[in-house]
Amino acid sequence: AQKVTQAQTEISVVEKEDVTLDCVYETRDTTYYLFWYKQPPSGELVFLIRRNSFDEQNEISGRYSWNFQKSTSSFNFTITASQVVDSAVYFCALSEPGAGSYQLTFGKGTKLSVIP
Amino acid sequence: GAGVSQSPSNKVTEKGKDVELRCDPISGHTALYWYRQSLGQGLEFLIYFQGNSAPDKSGLPSDRFSAERTGGSVSTLTIQRTQQEDSAVYLCASSLRVTEQYQPQHFGDGTRLSIL
Repeated sequence: AQKVTQAQTEISVVEKEDVTLDCVYETRDTTYYLFWYKQPPSGELVFLIRRNSFDEQNEISGRYSWNFQKSTSSFNFTITASQVVDSAVYFCALSEPGAGSYQLTFGKGTKLSVIP
Repeated sequence: GAGVSQSPSNKVTEKGKDVELRCDPISGHTALYWYRQSLGQGLEFLIYFQGNSAPDKSGLPSDRFSAERTGGSVSTLTIQRTQQEDSAVYLCASSLRVTEQYQPQHFGDGTRLSIL
C-alpha cells in the first residue's frame, strides 16, 4: 500500500480558478512530518511547506493554503486564483522519524496545468 | 553557492560503464540524501548521510550502487556496471539536522543519467 497517495494524476484549470490538490497519507507513527514540494518544468524540487503531526492549524501563505486533518489522514493544498506560473508537478511527502533518517516518502505527484 | 549543487547536470553513458555523480550540499547542512526520480517509480529514497557516516542505505537498489561523503560535505554516488534501468534523474538534498526540530530538505537540480 502506498504511504502517500495523490489520487489526482493531472489537473487542468483556467487561470484565476481555485484548485485543490489532494494528499492522503498512511503511518503508524504518532510523530511525523508532512511536506509539499513543487517541481516546475525546470526540474528543481522547491520546498513549499512543512507540517508536523501535532500541529493541525491550517496555514495560508499568499495564494497558497494547506488543510491538515489527522482524522482523515489528509494534507490538502489549495491554490487560490491560479496563475500560469503555478503550472508544475506538486508532490506531497511524508517523513517518519522512527527510522532515524527522516527520509521523505513521496506521492506520485499531481501535474497542474494552468491555462491562460 | 547558496543552494545544493550537483554535477554533471546530464550524463550519457554506455551500458556496463561506471558513473560518478557529485553533490555539494548547502554549507552547514549535516544531513545529505540521495533520491532517484524515474517515470515508472516516481521519487525514491536511496541513501542518507549524517556527517560522513551513512546510517541508512536501505534504498540502494543493488550492490552496484554505492556512495560516500568526505569532510562532512561533498558526496559522490557511484553506479558500477550501469544498466538501462539505471536511467533516471538522481537528486541530492541536504538539510540541517537539529535534534529538537526537523528541518526541510533542500534539493539540487539533479543529474539526468541516460544509459544507452
